Amino acid sequence: SQELEQSPQSLIVQEGKNLTINCTSSKTLYGLYWYKQKYGEGLIFLMMLQKGGEEKSHEKITAKLDEKKQQSSLHITASQPSHAGIYLCGADGGTSYGKLTFGQGTILTVHP
Amino acid sequence: EAGVAQSPRYKIIEKRQSVAFWCNPISGHATLYWYQQILGQGPKLLIQFQNNGVVDDSQLPKDRFSAERLKGVDSTLKIQPAKLEDSAVYLCASSFTGSGISGANVLTFGAGSRLTVL
Repeated sequence: SQELEQSPQSLIVQEGKNLTINCTSSKTLYGLYWYKQKYGEGLIFLMMLQKGGEEKSHEKITAKLDEKKQQSSLHITASQPSHAGIYLCGADGGTSYGKLTFGQGTILTVHP
Repeated sequence: EAGVAQSPRYKIIEKRQSVAFWCNPISGHATLYWYQQILGQGPKLLIQFQNNGVVDDSQLPKDRFSAERLKGVDSTLKIQPAKLEDSAVYLCASSFTGSGISGANVLTFGAGSRLTVL
């Protein structure tokens, strides 16, 4: 079965700083999804990557899938308190009929 | 469009009692998922439905957990009897398809039901 390892497990930054969260897979990534979760709430979809080398951006968040398709990174530029939360990567395994396997999450705290 | 609705948001029970969670997916979404998220961990799939049929329930503890999706719309997840280790957030998600098209299947999640077992 596919396993996803996220690093770091937690991150504390000052407002305005850049940061990167990594997601490493035990198997080739086909569909890689990034979600954000506020404490006590559900997951909010951020971005989805499919192709090796693909990069997508939304506002100040950029996600990349490396060429070998076994690692993805999420980069936040000029962080704001609104970016705080838990970031989760999920993979669909290629032929898993939609279900996602998730990493353990990265807790991001942004101090004003 | 309305999101995925879940209830109750919070539930506290004693061990060995039973509990049920309800989920109403986004209208038109054929695929429905129940995930369990234990504090500090990522969500773990319990069961996946395609319309009213079960696609995957390999990680559902069937001696105590059951789920149904009558009429292919809303779903209920039941735990009976509950154990201390069942304390978690139970997340329901839905997607338009579960067709195996990699990368084309964004899951929309509900706010979750937080269960505390004492």
